[in-house]
Amino acid sequence: DTEVTQTPKHLVMGMTNKKSLKCEQHMGHRAMYWYKQKAKKPPELMFVYSYEKLSINESVPSRFSPECPNSSLLNLHLHALQPEDSALYLCASSDEGSSYEQYFGPGTRLTVT
Amino acid sequence: KNEVEQSPQNLTAQEGEFITINCSYSVGISALHWLQQHPGGGIVSLFMLSSGKKKHGRLIATINIQEKHSSLHITASHPRDSAVYICAVRYYNTDKLIFGTGTRLQVFP
Repeated sequence: DTEVTQTPKHLVMGMTNKKSLKCEQHMGHRAMYWYKQKAKKPPELMFVYSYEKLSINESVPSRFSPECPNSSLLNLHLHALQPEDSALYLCASSDEGSSYEQYFGPGTRLTVT
Repeated sequence: KNEVEQSPQNLTAQEGEFITINCSYSVGISALHWLQQHPGGGIVSLFMLSSGKKKHGRLIATINIQEKHSSLHITASHPRDSAVYICAVRYYNTDKLIFGTGTRLQVFP
């Protein structure tokens, strides 16, 4: 199984809502990533978890809160978002050793109204 | 100046044409990735290179470590190859990828 799954595919939320994005992989990868991608731009790294510990936080606003409950799951909790946070949120995973190849999920398209 | 430069930014081609997309970077890296993204879609990893050349079907990726340059070639292009192609590099001892700005390819029948 070389798949990274993300739910939901689409999400519309108001600025006062609390919602969560979910990412799952069953490849035994030790690193998981959250990216934000605006239209016609490359992905921007938000967070990296390595061995279930937060290893990189790219100065992301606190209204985005990552969580790694176990080695297969990665969540992104959203609260009090702004319309400019509307974007495609991509999850990825990778392993160590000879291959750091990142496997990306299909993304969650988020619209903040 | 972006750490990873791609050219061209936009590319149109007729079906069957040979296509080359270029990527250059400024400092030593542990690996370079070529990624593909269809409109509105997720990202697919095409190649990961640290030296030499790799081939998969009609796609060929090469890297010249001394020149800090990589190319992605598509032979016998097809409309389904229309997508954004992104070059990304990984430096040593980090999980972080540095992305290029992407090349938008359109192949017309």
